[in-house]
Amino acid sequence: AQKITQTQPGMFVQEKEAVTLDCTYDTSDQSYGLFWYKQPSSGEMIFLIYQGSYDEQNATEGRYSLNFQKARKSANLVISASQLGDSAMYFCAMSFDRGSTLGRLYFGRGTQLTVWP
Amino acid sequence: GAVVSQHPSRVICKSGTSVKIECRSLDFQATTMFWYRQFPKQSLMLMATSNEGSKATYEQGVEKDKFLINHASLTLSTLTVTSAHPEDSSFYICSARGQGGNEQYFGPGTRLTVT
Repeated sequence: AQKITQTQPGMFVQEKEAVTLDCTYDTSDQSYGLFWYKQPSSGEMIFLIYQGSYDEQNATEGRYSLNFQKARKSANLVISASQLGDSAMYFCAMSFDRGSTLGRLYFGRGTQLTVWP
Repeated sequence: GAVVSQHPSRVICKSGTSVKIECRSLDFQATTMFWYRQFPKQSLMLMATSNEGSKATYEQGVEKDKFLINHASLTLSTLTVTSAHPEDSSFYICSARGQGGNEQYFGPGTRLTVT
């Protein structure tokens, strides 16, 4: 069974500081993808960043970077220079490109990030 | 990025009635669409996977006769909650995946309240 674990139910960070949101996963598959999504209070799911299991370099998208440590099975999200608008729920997710599970996302429980001035 | 719309954004219905939620991919062809359900302060739980032109694949514990899914075209999937009850009140989100892509694009969600 595939499993995504986010151990931080809530995180607080001061504006302009960096914050790391933890995510670990458990799978015996070699080929998979890791995602981070942001969900503000409006409910929409906003795609932030993607890392493929065979990607050798950590993914980066603007202020977001994914600290991918394959041996440890971790895919932490780093947000640099936090902004008040970053306050939201953040979900880590995993998908597999094979068979009947093609494309479906397995989500963690989420981390509620609060950025304070 | 790709755009997925959902309609309606909010719906209130009486117990025993049926509600249809539409999910549309606006600028790409979605070979696969996914329907998720999210209770307050919880994660997204996959309900079913629908591929255009074939029957949906439901997750364990999801009643296929209650949650009817139709993926009639490459840009439209519908979820019908039949004989809705208050416990069906939830946030329903669809996502769409194009051919050969890794990303899934989510709709804005539909908040269903059954009274």
